[in-house]
Amino acid sequence: SAVISQKPSRDICQRGTSLTIQCQVDSQVTMMFWYRQQPGQSLTLIATANQGSEATYESGFVIDKFPISRPNLTFSTLTVSNMSPEDSSIYLCSVGTSGSSGNEQFFGPGTRLTVL
Amino acid sequence: AQSVSQHNHHVILSEAASLELGCNYSYGGTVNLFWYVQYPGQHLQLLLKYFSGDPLVKGIKGFEAEFIKSKFSFNLRKPSVQWSDTAEYFCAVISSGTYKYIFGTGTRLKVLA
Repeated sequence: SAVISQKPSRDICQRGTSLTIQCQVDSQVTMMFWYRQQPGQSLTLIATANQGSEATYESGFVIDKFPISRPNLTFSTLTVSNMSPEDSSIYLCSVGTSGSSGNEQFFGPGTRLTVL
Repeated sequence: AQSVSQHNHHVILSEAASLELGCNYSYGGTVNLFWYVQYPGQHLQLLLKYFSGDPLVKGIKGFEAEFIKSKFSFNLRKPSVQWSDTAEYFCAVISSGTYKYIFGTGTRLKVLA
């Protein structure tokens, strides 16, 4: 398993500004993921962030809006740029691990973002 | 495309009632299956998971799930729910050999005291 922390845990931001969310893992992991959970909805994958390569974005998400950094094997950031109220969501990071039985992800506590 | 369906979007039960939440997936290959719970205001927690072996999987807090390969299902059960089980429940699937989760839309459970 992995212990994951995120900063900030919550924030209230003004329209047009940007927020950078940090994700820290207590062990080295290759694969990290960023999700969005809009109010009352399920989790949607934004992008996969592997160390040493550009992030891979899912359909509907673009780098200009959600730039991601992955400077090392224990840390990643997601920036929500030029925010609008529609960006109000919980943003979660997770890490992918591989065990003898199979693969799974461990999730951080999330960052609750409200955009006014 | 792969997908995960949770047919019950909202479920309301009285305490001590039995619970079964449906989860069906569409993928013909080998999969790993998960149920997560999200209590109000809290983060996602793993309830149980299935990788291989016994298709009846027991998780935390008295939950269990049964993998029925022929039906592409992984339904979550609990014989007697408690008020504290009020939460949202998510089914998720990973194709074997990958790391990418496909999440269901979630089922919001409310247990009346």
